[in-house]
Amino acid sequence: QSVLTQPPSVSAAPGQKVTISCSGSSSNIGNNYVSWYQQLPRTAPKLLIYDNDKRPPGIPDRFSGSKSGTSATLGITGLQTGDEADYYCGSWDSSLSAFVFGTGTKVSVL
Amino acid sequence: EVQLVESGGGLVQPGGSLRLSCAASGFTFSSYWMRWVRQAPGKGLEWVANIKEDGSVKHYVDSVKGRFTILRDNAKNSLYLQMNSLRAEDTAVYYCARTTFSGGMDVWGQGTTVTVSS
Repeated sequence: QSVLTQPPSVSAAPGQKVTISCSGSSSNIGNNYVSWYQQLPRTAPKLLIYDNDKRPPGIPDRFSGSKSGTSATLGITGLQTGDEADYYCGSWDSSLSAFVFGTGTKVSVL
Repeated sequence: EVQLVESGGGLVQPGGSLRLSCAASGFTFSSYWMRWVRQAPGKGLEWVANIKEDGSVKHYVDSVKGRFTILRDNAKNSLYLQMNSLRAEDTAVYYCARTTFSGGMDVWGQGTTVTVSS
């Protein structure tokens, strides 16, 4: 039930910046909060961003979130090898009465 | 320490049943919505079900409606997922997660693996 679309993969050199887009609709991103999750290999997901642009305690400010209309973006600056992971956006969908995740994006550090 | 620990996964035949448990500690369990999220092998995250703080409201993904039931026991600080009529496509790692007021999931368990196969 992936109604949020993300690019399959993004990559950049260490120290550089990457952005991950998350495209939805008025029933989800357009009218509800967006959250972002990082999943390192073989581990449980971890909350990176909530309420569109807020970071939980302990999440470095290299990670940022934004939302505009029916799309959201996750930015990672100062890319590190430890950032290699899968990243997912998520939002409540009011029409489906369901939480929907994005298709996921694999970040690679060249 | 805020923690969620899942248990109850295993190998089950198609058509069988399984009950997953999630033990919460370190926070006031009865003050939070809770969720189950699953991840099939090599696939992305899929939300499965929600339950309100007092258990009065529940939501399910279409693919499990009528087969899965989300439950909670606030006296035992525990969340459950009763899974019936299991199918091969239910094979996944199942995570329980604490849900914030705005819908994000800020605490996750380590996951429990369910394999549906004959």
